[in-house]
Amino acid sequence: DSGVTQTPKHLITATGQRVTLRCSPRSGDLSVYWYQQSLDQGLQFLIQYYNGEERAKGNILERFSAQQFPDLHSELNLSSLELGDSALYFCASSPSGGVSSYEQYFGPGTRLTVT
Amino acid sequence: AQSVTQPDIHITVSEGASLELRCNYSYGATPYLFWYVQSPGQGLQLLLKYFSGDTLVQGIKGFEAEFKRSQSSFNLRKPSVHWSDAAEYFCAVATYNTDKLIFGTGTRLQVFP
Repeated sequence: DSGVTQTPKHLITATGQRVTLRCSPRSGDLSVYWYQQSLDQGLQFLIQYYNGEERAKGNILERFSAQQFPDLHSELNLSSLELGDSALYFCASSPSGGVSSYEQYFGPGTRLTVT
Repeated sequence: AQSVTQPDIHITVSEGASLELRCNYSYGATPYLFWYVQSPGQGLQLLLKYFSGDTLVQGIKGFEAEFKRSQSSFNLRKPSVHWSDAAEYFCAVATYNTDKLIFGTGTRLQVFP
């Protein structure tokens, strides 16, 4: 158990809908990362937040957005869902300070199926 | 741009045999290197990491990896594989000025009894 929690574990929804994925980082970690894992794209970095502020952006679609709240939990919002958005979405967190900030600890993931 | 290559998509070994999973990276300076393992239906677990110093690093579950700058490689090894090691293994790289991890495509390890 990494200490990172994600809810829900599974999500099935229809095209055009909107969903919210939730992540709670390890205690004390200020950084939260979101990744998408799909068969054709592999593991892709989406976005990073640090202490409530967006720090880095990767291959995140405009239909997707995220935020990190004062209690440090994060939410990833996916809207106007398409079949191709079906994937496993991971949240990771890392401690701050020194090289340890590069060690990312992953949650169990949310499996999104768009029908 | 940084990239990570795992040339072996699928490897099969017998239980008790030795294992080496290959990883090559592309980056101008010394990167920070990681190996993660993903069991079916699970998240990614950090096996080991390299930041600097001793080029042979030890990780959890009896794994080790060696950083070879001249070959831009960070291969994962285990002297004797157990059936529970069957999983997908991902090599990843981070660089000094970015926090994001860039992952390889993964190597699926199958272990025969």
